[in-house]
This record gives sequence, structure tokens and C-alpha cells, in this order.
Amino acid sequence: AQRVTQPEKLLSVFKGAPVELKCNYSYSGSPELFWYVQYSRQRLQLLLRHISRESIKGFTADLNKGETSFHLKKPFAQEEDSAMYYCALRRGNKLVFGAGTILRVKS
Amino acid sequence: GAGVSQSPSNKVTEKGKDVELRCDPISGHTALYWYRQSLGQGLEFLIYFQGNSAPDKSGLPSDRFSAERTGGSVSTLTIQRTQQEDSAVYLCASSLVADTQYFGPGTRLTVL
Repeated sequence: AQRVTQPEKLLSVFKGAPVELKCNYSYSGSPELFWYVQYSRQRLQLLLRHISRESIKGFTADLNKGETSFHLKKPFAQEEDSAMYYCALRRGNKLVFGAGTILRVKS
Repeated sequence: GAGVSQSPSNKVTEKGKDVELRCDPISGHTALYWYRQSLGQGLEFLIYFQGNSAPDKSGLPSDRFSAERTGGSVSTLTIQRTQQEDSAVYLCASSLVADTQYFGPGTRLTVL
């Protein structure tokens, strides 16, 4: 079954420290993966998708098919990065989401 | 332009009552999705509409849940005989076919 696992419910880092939000998936075939972010009192929004291979707000994510991972990284965390982050996998017409990781960036 | 809108933003109901949640997608988006966001559970797919095709109802948790989409635009999610475990945030999203999904602000449902 297709599944997305985010092992950390909460990740707390200091401002300026590197961030890595973990995401592992199970999928037979070529996966299409996304990171969504939800800032406080805002709606869920797309952060980035692996097929775009882009950097958004300093975040990058590389698909590692060997490790079935799609970890989200940022070299220097900022306080405004504090939010809930969801990793998601496209399965047909729908998205399968992980349970989410709360990122808390402390000053 | 206007994003996805949902109403009401909050709904408190008593166990056993029926509720209707509304979603207005982005104009021109042919695909519409409902998800449920429960504490600690992430987002759970409920139902998907695409144009005039039969909806994908594979995520509906029980036959108390139903949804319709009128005129290819507005959608209503109905929960009959609500139970306490139905308490969650219900999110609607819309997209062009197989494109980025844009989410609404959600309806927070509390069943007492």
C-alpha cells in the first residue's frame, strides 16, 4: 500500500541552525512527491514538488529512490519557518499525506 | 483571484445531528477534493470530483458521509447522524486536472 511516513511529530531548532524534516514513502512505481506547509492561522499551501527540482524559501528536497525518502532541508532556519509541514505522495487523483511535522524555530 | 472558500468556518453540533459543509472552488478548476484533518492523523482523503465523471468515493469512512457537486462548481459534504469521532477539520481543495491542489481554509467540526 502507498504510504507516507513522517517520523517526527515535532522538530525544534535554533534560528540559523540547519533543518531536515524527514519523509519516507512506500510506492511501487515512479512516485510524485510534494511538501505542503501550513503556517499558523493560514491555509495549507504547496511548498515544493520534486519534479520541479526548485528551491522555495531556501528549502530543497531531493527524491532518493534507493532510500525511498524525500527529506526537506534548509541550511539556516528562520523564525518564520515555524509551521506544520506535510509530505505527500500522489496516488492517482488524490494525495496521500503523512501525519505532519511541526517545525519550531527558536530565537 | 479568489481562492477556495469554505463555509462555515466553525460548526458545533450535537451527536446524532446532520451537518452540511460547503466548498466553493477556484473558478475554472474542474477537480475538487475533500480531505479530513484530524489531530495526529494528518490529512485523510475523502472524495474526489472531476468534471462530469463519477466521483471517487473511496475515502469516505462510512455511509453516513456523502458529497455532491452541483453544476461542476460548488460542493457540499454531508455527514448524517454525526458521531464524536467525526470531529475534525474538513478541507476542500481544487485544481486543474492533475495539477497543484489549492486548499481552502477548512471547516472545523466539533461534535458534542
